[in-house]
Amino acid sequence: GAVVSQHPSWVICKSGTSVKIECRSLDFQATTMFWYRQFPKQSLMLMATSNEGSKATYEQGVEKDKFLINHASLTLSTLTVTSAHPEDSSFYICSATAQVTDTQYFGPGTRLTVL
Amino acid sequence: EDKVVQSPLSLVVHEGDTVTLNCSYEVTNFRSLLWYKQEKKAPTFLFMLTSSGIEKKSGRLSSILDKKELFSILNITATQTGDSAVYLCAPQADRGSTLGRLYFGRGTQLTVWP
Repeated sequence: GAVVSQHPSWVICKSGTSVKIECRSLDFQATTMFWYRQFPKQSLMLMATSNEGSKATYEQGVEKDKFLINHASLTLSTLTVTSAHPEDSSFYICSATAQVTDTQYFGPGTRLTVL
Repeated sequence: EDKVVQSPLSLVVHEGDTVTLNCSYEVTNFRSLLWYKQEKKAPTFLFMLTSSGIEKKSGRLSSILDKKELFSILNITATQTGDSAVYLCAPQADRGSTLGRLYFGRGTQLTVWP
C-alpha cells in the first residue's frame, strides 16, 4: 500500500526558533501534497496545498511567511515553522495524493511543542 | 460554503454490536468521498467512494454513497475494541478546481467496550 513518512515524529523547541518537518511519499509519486494542523479533540484543518515545482496555496488565515512550504520533488515536501511560538504547538500532518488513484494518504504526523 | 456534517459525534457500544456512522456533505465540484480511521496518530485510509449505490466492503466494514442525497454511511458489524477510534468522512473536490483537496467534518468518536 501507499506509504507516507514524516520526520521528525515529535519535536520540542524553544520559542523563536525554526522547525522543519519533512513529508515523503515512499513508494509512489505525489504531484500534490497537503499540510494540516490538528488541535486536541478537533478535526484536521487544511493549512496549505503544494504542487511539485510551484508555490504553495495557503488557506485563509494561514501566514505564508510563517509556514514556509517547499515541494522540491515528486516525493518530498517540507514545512518550516519559522520563529515558532507556544501557540504554534500542535499536531502537523501531511498527506500525499497518489497520482494513479487520486487517493490521499496521510503521514504519521509530527507533534510540535514550543516552549 | 462547503460543509461536512457527521453524526453521531460520539457513540459508545459493546463488542459485537453493529454501528452505522453518517456523513452528509455540501461540497462544490465534488469528485469522491473518502473515509478514514484515526486512532492516536494520523488518519488511515478506509474507503474511497465515487459512484452512488455501489457498496464497498473490507472485512466487517462497508460503506456506500448517495450522490443525489449528498450522503454516505459507514457500517461496522460485530464491533471489536480495536475499532475504537475517530472516523472521519472527507469529501474530495475535483483536481481541476482545488487540486483534489479534502474537506473534513468533526468526525465520529466510536468507543467499543469489551
